[in-house]
Formats: sequence, structure tokens, C-alpha cells
Amino acid sequence: RKEVEQDPGPFNVPEGATVAFNCTYSNSASQSFFWYRQDCRKEPKLLMSVYSSGNEDGRFTAQLNRASQYISLLIRDSKLSDSATYLCVVSAYGGATNKLIFGTGTLLAVQP
Amino acid sequence: DAGVIQSPRHEVTEMGQEVTLRCKPISGHNSLFWYRQTMMRGLELLIYFNNNVPIDDSGMPEDRFSAKMPNASFSTLKIQPSEPRDSAVYFCASSLRAGGETQYFGPGTRLLVL
Repeated sequence: RKEVEQDPGPFNVPEGATVAFNCTYSNSASQSFFWYRQDCRKEPKLLMSVYSSGNEDGRFTAQLNRASQYISLLIRDSKLSDSATYLCVVSAYGGATNKLIFGTGTLLAVQP
Repeated sequence: DAGVIQSPRHEVTEMGQEVTLRCKPISGHNSLFWYRQTMMRGLELLIYFNNNVPIDDSGMPEDRFSAKMPNASFSTLKIQPSEPRDSAVYFCASSLRAGGETQYFGPGTRLLVL
């Protein structure tokens, strides 16, 4: 089983749609969680951290369910500029290590 | 404020040649990471350093790969000899400190081994 699993997509949605991505992780001791965004032929960039209570940043909402080892990202009112690959990222385990494990990503294509 | 700097941005070489990739982390960051990204395998961690010391190199594919960090502002990843299956995008990233901190990526080096 992969340490971080995501649906690779692609998700093809019209502008203005709401889209949700899911991710599961295998290490119950993981303490840090992130969503990164990667545009075509570019480097990954931090989109948002994910907190236990859930957090929102504009049109983006991230949720964490530790019991189910599940992370989600919701994008509301999607824009053409949201088209990218979204990477679910989990720390290897708690403590001093700072290894991050990246999922293979979910491709989002927002259509006009 | 400069981000992570990598060079070269593109490299085309022939099988058997030595390849050296370079990285300058963000000033003040204590951790540096080398990743490889391919379509088939996604983003894989090769090695990471804390305070210039290699901490985990379990992702380095084989002895042909080596990495060094002689000081806080410079790291190299070397492949000798290179093989066609090494073709990938190699990213360097840095973070402020240990403990699952946010990592900031450089633009990557696109390597093609013929």
C-alpha cells in the first residue's frame, strides 16, 4: 500500500463548479499535512497546510480526519487558473524528522 | 527575496557521462532536500540534509548517485555514470527547520540522458 494515495484524475469541471479531492495516508503517527499545487512544467508550491479543525483560505477548504486517516480539499467556484495538479503531502511521522511524503497528485482541468 | 536556485535548468547528456546538478537553498533554511519526479513514479525523495549533514539517503537509487552539502548555501547531486533511466526532473527544496515544516522548491533541472 502506498503511504499517500490520491485519485489521479483527471477531474474535468466547468468554471464555477465545486470540486473535491480526497487523499488517504497509511502512517497514523503523521503530524503534518499539506496540499501543494503543481502547474505544468513548474515546481510544486504550497497551497495550504491542513489542520485538525479544518481550515479555509478563500475558495479553498481543507479537512483532516485522523481517525480515518483521510484528507480532503474542496475548491468552490473554480476558475480556469485553478487548473493544475494537486499534491497531498504528509509528514513521515511525528518528531524531529522532516521527511514529507508526496502523493502522485490529482489533475484538475477547469473548462471554460 | 530569492527562492531556491537550481542549475542548470536543462541538461542533455549521453549515457555514461557524469552529470552534476547544483542547488542554493533559501538563506537561513537549515534543511535541504533532493527529489526526482517522473510520470511513472511521481515525486520521490532521494536524500535530505539537516545543517549540512546527510540524514536520510535511503531514496538514492544506487551507487551511481551521490550528494554533498559542503556548506549551508550549496549542495550538489551527482550521477556517474548516467543512464537513460535517470531522465527525470530533479528538484531541490529547502525548509526552515526539522519537524514536518513547509518545503520550498526550486524550479528543477530537466535531465535527459540519451
